Amino acid sequence: DAKTTQPPSMDCAEGRAANLPCNHSTISGNEYVYWYRQIHSQGPQYIIHGLKNNETNEMASLIITEDRKSSTLILPHATLRDTAVYYCIVRLPMIYNQGGKLIFGQGTELSVKP
Amino acid sequence: DAGVTQSPTHLIKTRGQQVTLRCSPKSGHDTVSWYQQALGQGPQFIFQYYEEEERQRGNFPDRFSGHQFPNYSSELNVNALLLGDSALYLCASSLHYFRGKDQPQHFGDGTRLSIL
Repeated sequence: DAKTTQPPSMDCAEGRAANLPCNHSTISGNEYVYWYRQIHSQGPQYIIHGLKNNETNEMASLIITEDRKSSTLILPHATLRDTAVYYCIVRLPMIYNQGGKLIFGQGTELSVKP
Repeated sequence: DAGVTQSPTHLIKTRGQQVTLRCSPKSGHDTVSWYQQALGQGPQFIFQYYEEEERQRGNFPDRFSGHQFPNYSSELNVNALLLGDSALYLCASSLHYFRGKDQPQHFGDGTRLSIL
């Protein structure tokens, strides 16, 4: 079973920031938080990941709370092409015996509207 | 720099047949994982290959098997196909370890398998 909880759907106006929440209250100290998105008929696309600190890349920002029990993915200026299902996943690092596998939940369906 | 490539893109088989799906990882990647995605569901982990060995396996029967070659490419084999095996099969590749930071998996666009 997935170890994360996400709202099933969200709307966002084009050009505005999209803030996607994720709860992972049972996360262990060694588990990373990963975000992927999937546009219909394509494979999941990696967005960003982090362990404790906030992270930013060219696609998004990841804000992880100090207790690590929740996180928020921020798309700073959403476009229509950001309409997709967004998955928040926690996983052990690849180097661990049971690490590396991604357990997907139902994700959040983000609709960006004009 | 090519990403993860999978072949074929679409495949139609009948019940009881066997199928082989292929995956070429992103350049420089050494670990390959396979996932099954049924319609309307999130992907489910099948297994992971590293150093030509199956390192982890999800909750899938022995009908599902795989292989990793010395060039890191991989195959997924499914025997005795069932109607319920109809799904999108995704391959993901990654580096096993790099400079102390966990490395993300990158996915291909999958093989759509239909069982009649």
